[in-house]
Amino acid sequence: QSVLTQPPSASGTPGQRVTISCSGSSSNIGSNYVFWYQQLPGTAPKLLIYRSDQRPSGVPDRFSGSKSGTSASLAISGLRSEDEADYYCAAWDDSLSSPYVVFGGGTKLTVL
Amino acid sequence: QITLKESGPTLVKPTQTLTLTCTFSGFSLSSSGVAVGWIRQPPGKALEWLALVYWDDDKRYSPSLKSRLTITQDTSKNQVVLTMTNMDPVDTATYYCAHSTTTIRHAFDFWGRGTLVTVSS
Repeated sequence: QSVLTQPPSASGTPGQRVTISCSGSSSNIGSNYVFWYQQLPGTAPKLLIYRSDQRPSGVPDRFSGSKSGTSASLAISGLRSEDEADYYCAAWDDSLSSPYVVFGGGTKLTVL
Repeated sequence: QITLKESGPTLVKPTQTLTLTCTFSGFSLSSSGVAVGWIRQPPGKALEWLALVYWDDDKRYSPSLKSRLTITQDTSKNQVVLTMTNMDPVDTATYYCAHSTTTIRHAFDFWGRGTLVTVSS
């Protein structure tokens, strides 16, 4: 069972806006930045969002991240078929003497 | 251009020790702020963070696996090695290494393609 909680699935039609949630606690999302990764089938994950709302160069502005309290969200606007993938949130966790990274269980996005 | 590549055995027996090597190029692990981490993914399951080594040789480990993991760096060879002891079939997974920096708050911005390790007798 993952430390960060994500819905197992999400879906939308082309052009639609979809949001994926990620719930944590005060020791991870509540006190640290959130990262989001996209994993296309059969490939390594790709960084989509860092520092909760920052996009690396090359990531379309259709992808946006936000954080409030102990929860975070990834929004995808103008949904495209190529967005069909698994999405993971992650954050550092300070609950122990040595920080470590925790991941969510992943959300499978289907473009209908 | 930053690249990373994982290498190691594809099959290990239960109780054996797994040694994986991440060979990278395009950056130096001696540079301030740089880190290399390991993440794994069992077939059909979620990502799991394992360990991270910083440019100053500081290290971080997953609390649940800390007793079994060791991460080391060889800056002269541009390599990071992960060892995991007492392997079990539940450790069957694709193991990834990835690059990170303080600039992106230690997210992983470049990943290797991963290597599938199967644990079976």
